[in-house]
Amino acid sequence: QSALTQPRSVSGSPGQSVTISCTGTSSDVGDYNYVSWYQQEPGKAPRLIIYDVSKRPSGVPDRFSGSKSGNTASLTISGLQAEDEADYYCCSYAGSFWVFGGGTKLTVL
Amino acid sequence: EVQLVESGGGLVQPGGSLRLSCAASGFTFGKYWMLWVRQAPGKGLVWVSFIKSDGSYTTYADSVKGRFTISRDNAKNTLYLQMNSLRAEDTAVYYCVRNGGYTFDIWGQGTMVIVSS
Repeated sequence: QSALTQPRSVSGSPGQSVTISCTGTSSDVGDYNYVSWYQQEPGKAPRLIIYDVSKRPSGVPDRFSGSKSGNTASLTISGLQAEDEADYYCCSYAGSFWVFGGGTKLTVL
Repeated sequence: EVQLVESGGGLVQPGGSLRLSCAASGFTFGKYWMLWVRQAPGKGLVWVSFIKSDGSYTTYADSVKGRFTISRDNAKNTLYLQMNSLRAEDTAVYYCVRNGGYTFDIWGQGTMVIVSS
């Protein structure tokens, strides 16, 4: 039940694009198309922004997109906005349990 | 409105016990898998436990196995987490989460558990 690996921080200017990686193993990210991403603002509960690798729940802007290649999943945020500044977590189903990434702090410069 | 409201958190001494509750509303609780996720102060999210919709199957993170028990009462639309033999490292905000198809689509606001003497 080892955590997925995410960069601790990323940054970008308004209007730019950033990508957050999430590396797991062939037992989790690489084996299931059940990777999800969560946005968490300070003091708030996490919010689902991507599920099943690349699907967006209703209400989530299409600036947010997800993908996966092998054991690594990625979240791309295009057209960065100041309100996107938050912590982002990936999560993968691993067959009877789930594993999260350590989280990435996104700073909008 | 779909909602999950946790309760039962608080300050407890090491070795003590606590039972968390999560009241669900706005959806058919008995049709969904449910989970607990925790977050230590300043740290990341950690999956804790999972229970199937009818309560027939449960799983636990290695760090809580044998100490925590997840359960549910579908008639009361309530999820529980019985926590025994608590340790300092169990200090965290505990979130009740709805599983919508292998993903965590609805989160409660969280309840804080502090294990300290």
